[in-house]
Amino acid sequence: DAKTTQPPSMDCAEGRAANLPCNHSTISGNEYVYWYRQIHSQGPQYIIHGLKNNETNEMASLIITEDRKSSTLILPHATLRDTAVYYCIVRVEVVGTYKYIFGTGTRLKVLA
Amino acid sequence: GAGVSQSPSNKVTEKGKDVELRCDPISGHTALYWYRQSLGQGLEFLIYFQGNSAPDKSGLPSDRFSAERTGGSVSTLTIQRTQQEDSAVYLCASSLGVLSGVSSYNEQFFGPGTRLTVL
Repeated sequence: DAKTTQPPSMDCAEGRAANLPCNHSTISGNEYVYWYRQIHSQGPQYIIHGLKNNETNEMASLIITEDRKSSTLILPHATLRDTAVYYCIVRVEVVGTYKYIFGTGTRLKVLA
Repeated sequence: GAGVSQSPSNKVTEKGKDVELRCDPISGHTALYWYRQSLGQGLEFLIYFQGNSAPDKSGLPSDRFSAERTGGSVSTLTIQRTQQEDSAVYLCASSLGVLSGVSSYNEQFFGPGTRLTVL
């Protein structure tokens, strides 16, 4: 299974962009990168996903390198409510569905 | 509509007892997943169901762990003869399965988890 590595923690000033890196050097060609976040005592919540191209939605942007061995999640204007653990995930195909391989996550603290 | 629900939200048990954890997925979701999250750790994948079938049980930590799903809906994770190292939050998620071809979108919706404490 492909795996991901992330820094254990990061701080970001409120209002600034938060850039969260992820390495997935063993990712296969058809495996997607997903990002979820987990706010204390809640289940993880979907943020964004991508395969090759950069992606943007109302929450974040995802930048994937051309060789697909790493990616960066960007929260353009971090708020205090963005304080959470952010998981970079590789999605692998299994029988009838997909399986998520979670990384250890980055604990992002947004500072006032 | 309703999200994924899990019960109980908290369970305290004595070492050696059996426990059952329940997951109610989102209606219409054919795929269901169980994860374990130990204190301060990431999510460890345990098992998934496509319909009532669990094609891969290799993620279960030991033969004390088992799971079933009936009627393509509710799933139960059972831990027999619990040990202290089983203490963790057990999370369930559900998603639309792959009906045909490759889907670029397959969001897993997570429940709030069951916090299991084995004394």
